[in-house]
Amino acid sequence: EAQVTQNPRYLITVTGKKLTVTCSQNMNHEYMSWYRQDPGLGLRQIYYSMNVEVTDKGDVPEGYKVSRKEKRNFPLILESPSPNQTSLYFCASSLPGKQETQYFGPGTRLLVL
Amino acid sequence: LAKTTQPISMDSYEGQEVNITCSHNNIATNDYITWYQQFPSQGPRFIIQGYKTKVTNEVASLFIPADRKSSTLSLPRVSLSDTAVYYCLVARGSQGNLIFGKGTKLSVKP
Repeated sequence: EAQVTQNPRYLITVTGKKLTVTCSQNMNHEYMSWYRQDPGLGLRQIYYSMNVEVTDKGDVPEGYKVSRKEKRNFPLILESPSPNQTSLYFCASSLPGKQETQYFGPGTRLLVL
Repeated sequence: LAKTTQPISMDSYEGQEVNITCSHNNIATNDYITWYQQFPSQGPRFIIQGYKTKVTNEVASLFIPADRKSSTLSLPRVSLSDTAVYYCLVARGSQGNLIFGKGTKLSVKP
C-alpha cells in the first residue's frame, strides 16, 4: 500500500531534550516536506526537500533541522525543543513536478513541557 | 508565491450543497489550484485540482472563473462525513515552498 509513515505518532518530552521524528514513504517520491499545524494558523511548511541531499527552508524553519540522505526518508530533528514547538506535525511527499499534489502522513502530536 | 484567503468556518445541513470560495489575487500563469480535505486526527488528502473553468470528480466540483483570481469548491448534497477542514492551495508543480493557508472548517449538521 502506498503510504507515508511517521514515528512516533505521539510524543511528550521536556524542554531541551533532543528528539527526532521519522518520516518514510514507499512511493519513490523525490519531493518531501514537513509541516506543523496549530489551531487558527492552518498548515505551515517547516522544511522541504526536492531530492536526496537537497533541502530548503519553508516558512517556519527556526528550531528545526532536517536531513535527506535517502530518497524514502526525511527525518525532522528538534535539537533543543521548546514549548512553542508543541504542535501537530505532518510529513508529505509527491512526485517530481507535482509538488502541489501531495500525500500526507498521519501526523505526529508533540507536547514539549 | 500565491497566498490564499478562505472563510474560517462554514455550517451546513445534510443534503445541502456547500460552496467554499478561495481568493488568490496574485495567482501566476503556471499555478494550479488544488483543494485538500482533512478529517480530524488525519493528514490532509487531495480531493480535486484545476487550472481553469470547471473540473468535476466523484467527490467534488471545482469552478474557476476566467481571471483565475478565485475558485469555488462545490460539495453536492453533503453528509455528516463531509465535516472536515478544507484547504485551498495555489502552486505550480516545480515549486518547493508551499503556502497552504488556514483552511475552512466545514461543520455538517443533521
